[in-house]
Amino acid sequence: EAGVVQSPRYKIIEKKQPVAFWCNPISGHNTLYWYLQNLGQGPELLIRYENEEAVDDSQLPKDRFSAERLKGVDSTLKIQPAELGDSAVYLCASSLRTSGIEQFFGPGTRLTVL
Amino acid sequence: AQKITQTQPGMFVQEKEAVTLDCTYDTSDPSYGLFWYKQPSSGEMIFLIYQGSYDQQNATEGRYSLNFQKARKSANLVISASQLGDSAMYFCAMREVDSSASKIIFGSGTRLSIRP
Repeated sequence: EAGVVQSPRYKIIEKKQPVAFWCNPISGHNTLYWYLQNLGQGPELLIRYENEEAVDDSQLPKDRFSAERLKGVDSTLKIQPAELGDSAVYLCASSLRTSGIEQFFGPGTRLTVL
Repeated sequence: AQKITQTQPGMFVQEKEAVTLDCTYDTSDPSYGLFWYKQPSSGEMIFLIYQGSYDQQNATEGRYSLNFQKARKSANLVISASQLGDSAMYFCAMREVDSSASKIIFGSGTRLSIRP
């Protein structure tokens, strides 16, 4: 069974440029999460989807970040415009449902903003 | 509010020795779950073990066991017979089960290095 797929694995952009990350969860997983992981820290939840509905986006900086999960499968996280402080690893995870014990994580996208 | 504390930023252990990674937590919710994840240098978070707050016995998964002390609010991870491949970052995490948000929060991690 394929795991959570993320692309790109690495992205380098200049500040004020837009950037987008893509995630394909494990087939059949209804719940999808986007996390932000700063260097030397644990992941922090940005947004959680139940199918196509964003049920928890309280930590998503909505002035520059947006996300979508059309058709309840793949998801895209966008930053526009990117700032220096956005340099981090963006992790996507999925689980069968919110109450599912195990979240399966993708390899992450490492973003560097110059 | 939920909080996870990992006080060991880094640890060095000799191969084949057992190691304990500390984790303390704080929550006002009586129903919660505790997790441990491993993050090797490749970056992927790997689920290791889970303990429910009402579970009577400590969770075990192969060489991993969780030393759950509810009164002390601690959930230490014990790795027996450590191997070189255990070198990685380890994160403790918690989720309040009854919360509608069902948000998982992570600690700051412990970097474990196994010496040959």
